[in-house]
Amino acid sequence: AQSVAQPEDQVNVAEGNPLTVKCTYSVSGNPYLFWYVQYPNRGLQFLLKYITGDNLVKGSYGFEAEFNKSQTSFHLKKPSALVSDSALYFCAVLPKNNDMRFGAGTRLTVKP
Amino acid sequence: DAGITQSPRYKITETGRQVTLMCHQTWSHSYMFWYRQDLGHGLRLIYYSAAADITDKGEVPDGYVVSRSKTENFPLTLESATRSQTSVYFCASTAGSNQPQHFGDGTRLSIL
Repeated sequence: AQSVAQPEDQVNVAEGNPLTVKCTYSVSGNPYLFWYVQYPNRGLQFLLKYITGDNLVKGSYGFEAEFNKSQTSFHLKKPSALVSDSALYFCAVLPKNNDMRFGAGTRLTVKP
Repeated sequence: DAGITQSPRYKITETGRQVTLMCHQTWSHSYMFWYRQDLGHGLRLIYYSAAADITDKGEVPDGYVVSRSKTENFPLTLESATRSQTSVYFCASTAGSNQPQHFGDGTRLSIL
């Protein structure tokens, strides 16, 4: 079965520290991988995607993600967290059809 | 402004009633999607459409009906609402299957 796992419901970091939000997937073939962010009472906003090529993908707002095929992971990272990064983050995988699968989400809290 | 809009933003109804959620996009994107967001489940795909007059089931289609007579509109109908359909519903669109999806701000639906 196709699935996405975000093993941490909550991640807390101090402002200025690096952050990592974890994502692993179980999908056959070579799926497309995405990260989205959601602020309160808003829809999801695209951060970055991996289709093919370089395993380190750079996205919006200083975020990047590392694709690891052997570990089937796509962890989101940022070298220096901001309080304004506090939000709900979703990892998503898109198999070759259009049935996008989302993780359950990770709530990131950055404390000043 | 170009974008994707959902209406209504909030809706309360009773079990057994029919309710329609509207979604309109101004980009002329081919693909449109309906998701529901529930705690612990992330987003789950209800239905999607690759073009006008073409729709397909997603992960959780039971109890829902969609239509796509025009490219820009993709209404979602609950023909006989049940309490288990209380959720936040998001519409999204994209130009291509490997492109980021653009989300509306959601409809919060409560079924009493």
